[in-house]
Amino acid sequence: EAGVTQFPSHSVIEKGQTVTLRCDPISGHDNLYWYRRVMGKEIKFLLHFVKESKQDESGMPNNRFLAERTGGTYSTLKVQPAELEDSGVYFCASSHGTAPYNEQFFGPGTRLTVL
Amino acid sequence: GQQVMQIPQYQHVQEGEDFTTYCNSSTTLSNIQWYKQRPGGHPVFLIQLVKSGEVKKQKRLTFQFGEAKKNSSLHITATQTTDVGTYFCAGHSGAGSYQLTFGKGTKLSVIP
Repeated sequence: EAGVTQFPSHSVIEKGQTVTLRCDPISGHDNLYWYRRVMGKEIKFLLHFVKESKQDESGMPNNRFLAERTGGTYSTLKVQPAELEDSGVYFCASSHGTAPYNEQFFGPGTRLTVL
Repeated sequence: GQQVMQIPQYQHVQEGEDFTTYCNSSTTLSNIQWYKQRPGGHPVFLIQLVKSGEVKKQKRLTFQFGEAKKNSSLHITATQTTDVGTYFCAGHSGAGSYQLTFGKGTKLSVIP
């Protein structure tokens, strides 16, 4: 079974530019999550999709961040325009079923550096 | 909002010594999950505890969930170099909440 995949693995952009991160969850997993870890801080929840619907986006920092999950398959997270404080590692995770406490499978992450 | 404090932030041990990391939540948790992230890797699920006072073991790893469901610990007996990595606790708070709140993690180094 293929795991959660994320693209790109690294991205270096300048302040003010746009970046789009992609996540492909494990096939059949309806739940998809985005998390972010800023250096030295904890992994923070950004949002949760159930299929194509945003179930909880309370962790999104501001309106410069836009997440989509068209067709309930892969998801994208766009940052526009990027700011210095957006630097960090963005993790995607997926889980199966409807229970909230199911194991979440994490992807390898995208390391974003904003200069 | 909910916060999960995890200590220590770093731990260096000699191979064969024991290791413990502790988590404390500001609110009662519905459950606690533990993840391990190897250097350069991503968090990998280890275990989940749900019941008050629950204790689970995985070989040399012992996980506990406090009676009040606000604290948890992970204890590794006789560490090995393969135990190196960052250990995170994470919990769900409200009933039915999918949002995981993570601790900052404890980075374990094992000196051979």
